[in-house]
Amino acid sequence: AQSVTQPDIHITVSEGASLELRCNYSYGATPYLFWYVQSPGQGLQLLLKYFSGDTLVQGIKGFEAEFKRSQSSFNLRKPSVHWSDAAEYFCAVGVAGGGNKLTFGTGTQLKVEL
Amino acid sequence: DVKVTQSSRYLVKRTGEKVFLECVQDMDHENMFWYRQDPGLGLRLIYFSYDVKMKEKGDIPEGYSVSREKKERFSLILESASTNQTSMYLCASSPGGRGGQPQHFGDGTRLSIL
Repeated sequence: AQSVTQPDIHITVSEGASLELRCNYSYGATPYLFWYVQSPGQGLQLLLKYFSGDTLVQGIKGFEAEFKRSQSSFNLRKPSVHWSDAAEYFCAVGVAGGGNKLTFGTGTQLKVEL
Repeated sequence: DVKVTQSSRYLVKRTGEKVFLECVQDMDHENMFWYRQDPGLGLRLIYFSYDVKMKEKGDIPEGYSVSREKKERFSLILESASTNQTSMYLCASSPGGRGGQPQHFGDGTRLSIL
C-alpha cells in the first residue's frame, strides 16, 4: 500500500523568504501526487498535481513542486512567501486503478512572521 | 467550479444520538468520500462511494455508516455517537475513472459530541 510522509509538522518563515515543504511517498510505481492547502476552518483546496511528464509542476498562488523519482519526493516550493500563505499544507498520493482514492500525509503547519 | 456543500459547519450532539452529516456535490461526480481530520493524524478515510448505492469501507469505518441514494448526495451516519467521534469531518468528490483525478472538498463540519 502507498504511504506519504511529511517530516515537518510546523515550519515558520519570514514574509518574503523562500519556502520548501517536504513530502516523501512510498509506492512501487509512478504515483499521482497532489498538494492541498487548508486555511483555518476551511476545506482543502488543490494547489497542484503531478500525473506524468514534466517533473516541475506549476500551481496556483505562485506555488510549484518538483517530482524526483530517485528520492521518492514531491516537495512544494514558493520563492517568496506572503502572510496570507499561513495555513496547513497536505501532500497526497493516488495510484492507478485506485478509483481516485488518495492517501494523505499528516500535514505541515506553516506560520509566516511579518 | 466544483462545489461540494456540507449541510452544517458546526454541530453539537449528545452521546448515544444518531447523527447525520450531509454532503451534496453539483458536478455529477461518480466518487464521493468521507474523511475525519484530527490534529497530528491528517485526513483518514471513513467510507467512499463510487456509484449510487455502492460503498466501500475506508481505513476507519467502525461506528459509522453511509448512504448514497442519489448521485449528488452522500450521507455519513453515526449510529450511536460517542465522545471519541468529536472531530472535523470533510466530504469530497471526484470524477470516476482509474485514478489520477483530484478530489474536491467541502468546508467541513466540526462535530462535537457531549
